[in-house]
Amino acid sequence: AQSVTQLDSHVSVSEGTPVLLRCNYSSSYSPSLFWYVQHPNKGLQLLLKYTSAATLVKGINGFEAEFKKSETSFHLTKPSAHMSDAAEYFCVVSEDPTGANNLFFGTGTRLTVIP
Amino acid sequence: EAGVTQFPSHSVIEKGQTVTLRCDPISGHDNLYWYRRVMGKEIKFLLHFVKESKQDESGMPNNRFLAERTGGTYSTLKVQPAELEDSGVYFCASRDNSYEQYFGPGTRLTVT
Repeated sequence: AQSVTQLDSHVSVSEGTPVLLRCNYSSSYSPSLFWYVQHPNKGLQLLLKYTSAATLVKGINGFEAEFKKSETSFHLTKPSAHMSDAAEYFCVVSEDPTGANNLFFGTGTRLTVIP
Repeated sequence: EAGVTQFPSHSVIEKGQTVTLRCDPISGHDNLYWYRRVMGKEIKFLLHFVKESKQDESGMPNNRFLAERTGGTYSTLKVQPAELEDSGVYFCASRDNSYEQYFGPGTRLTVT
């Protein structure tokens, strides 16, 4: 069975400081892992995807995530937060090897960026 | 290129009434998905269409929910009769032959 735990429902950072959004997963197989972002009144947008290639995945807008199998983690980071990063972020797991189907979502982390 | 659109953006209905949500996928995307997020919880899969056929409807909560995709273009999700626990945000996503699902902004359904 697959599941995702996002450890923080809310994260608040100052503009220009690092961002860390935590995610742990559970999967019976080698999973595909994603981070999606949702800005207010917009659809979810794919930030990045891991599918058993390089463990450090770079995404859009300066975000990256590292797959750590031993820790079953896929934390999202960004070196310097920007005001436009304020949004809700979802960690997602799929046991579909392509990651195209069977998405299981975490409960989301709302990121606030303080000027 | 237009993204996935959903209508209405917000619907408020009384318990026992019927509501129909609509999703227009990105043109040419054969795969269409419905998801639901109940307040405070995770987004959950409802069903998956490939063209007009239901590929997977394992996430549909009960028979009060009916999804259709006649002609393989837009899709509707009807809830009849609506119950209080049906309140939430309903997302639609579409996909072509690649892996990425493109999501719409969602329809917020409130049942009072």
